[in-house]
Amino acid sequence: DAKTTQPPSMDCAEGRAANLPCNHSTISGNEYVYWYRQIHSQGPQYIIHGLKNNETNEMASLIITEDRKSSTLILPHATLRDTAVYYCTEWAGNNRKLIWGLGTSLAVNP
Amino acid sequence: DTEVTQTPKHLVMGMTNKKSLKCEQHMGHRAMYWYKQKAKKPPELMFVYSYEKLSINESVPSRFSPECPNSSLLNLHLHALQPEDSALYLCASSPHRGNTIYFGEGSWLTVV
Repeated sequence: DAKTTQPPSMDCAEGRAANLPCNHSTISGNEYVYWYRQIHSQGPQYIIHGLKNNETNEMASLIITEDRKSSTLILPHATLRDTAVYYCTEWAGNNRKLIWGLGTSLAVNP
Repeated sequence: DTEVTQTPKHLVMGMTNKKSLKCEQHMGHRAMYWYKQKAKKPPELMFVYSYEKLSINESVPSRFSPECPNSSLLNLHLHALQPEDSALYLCASSPHRGNTIYFGEGSWLTVV
């Protein structure tokens, strides 16, 4: 079965870059990697997604390794409001369902 | 801000009650989802509707009954729930299956 693995927690100083890793060693060639975050008591919020190339939007950057077995979400200048659980996910089973990692709890400290 | 609206935000119900959770989106999305989330766990897929037809049921007990009256609405009917069904229930939508999924804020359900 498809599976993503993430460190359970990370800390980051406010204003610094937060780099959140994810391993998706079972990903197949045409499955996108999606990142979401969930602030306490709210629904998950879409951040960014990618297939092969690195991606950037107003929220974050996504670096995907050439073999596509891992990715890194980068929040370039973390703020206190970025404190959340970050989930790395991938579509699996021919877009049948989104497979979720257990998430990384990111604490941004003043 | 999410464009997927869920009501109610909080619901407390007894084990013999019948209640419903409601979800609405006006983004023209043709896939809609119900997820269940327990504390400190990722969301678990329950049901997927694609073009108003149920396409995935992840072996959810029959005390949960989904309904998709039209392309904008999704309901989850609840009957004879157990205390362990207490959780955050998330509705979501995407343009089609396999596209970016957008979540609502969720409905917190407590079964007493």
